[in-house]
Amino acid sequence: SQQGEEDPQALSIQEGENATMNCSYKTSINNLQWYRQNSGRGLVHLILIRSNEREKHSGRLRVTLDTSKKSSSLLITASRAADTASYFCATVGSNSGYALNFGKGTSLLVTP
Amino acid sequence: EAGVAQSPRYKIIEKRQSVAFWCNPISGHATLYWYQQILGQGPKLLIQFQNNGVVDDSQLPKDRFSAERLKGVDSTLKIQPAKLEDSAVYLCASSPPGAFYEQYFGPGTRLTVT
Repeated sequence: SQQGEEDPQALSIQEGENATMNCSYKTSINNLQWYRQNSGRGLVHLILIRSNEREKHSGRLRVTLDTSKKSSSLLITASRAADTASYFCATVGSNSGYALNFGKGTSLLVTP
Repeated sequence: EAGVAQSPRYKIIEKRQSVAFWCNPISGHATLYWYQQILGQGPKLLIQFQNNGVVDDSQLPKDRFSAERLKGVDSTLKIQPAKLEDSAVYLCASSPPGAFYEQYFGPGTRLTVT
């Protein structure tokens, strides 16, 4: 069964704006990861945040994690048309080995 | 460094036929995963190998799906017989030793069952 649930399902913004997408999950985790998927480059790892971390940055990406609410958010600042893709959160359970449990994803469209 | 290779990229078959997908992970990656991604959903783990041993196949429909990784390098996923609901993208991923949380995905094989 899929662990994470992303919100919103779809998001449309203009270049230069910020995009925020959220992920909720159900069971305890070891870490949470965000992936991007587009037809050109397949599924690409963006960032990993461990269960004992609250915030992490990587370039234009900012991820937060609230384990008490079992939720995470991904913020993309100053978005570009090239950011158009589907974004998935994926969790690694604290007792389930290393396999990823993906959500259904958020489809992001960035228009010029 | 070459990425994860998968073939074929696309396959169309009729229901009840059989099909096989091939994956060659990044050199030196001991852990290999097969995921199924149905349109509009996130990938779902089918099976995880550590070298040539199975770590997790709890979500693999074993009545029709099988996978092997005989020499601990490349892997084959087979479906026999295929059903309409098997239409999906089949993704292979691998992880380097000691960095199990890093997964590198291949381009996938898009299967259409008619």
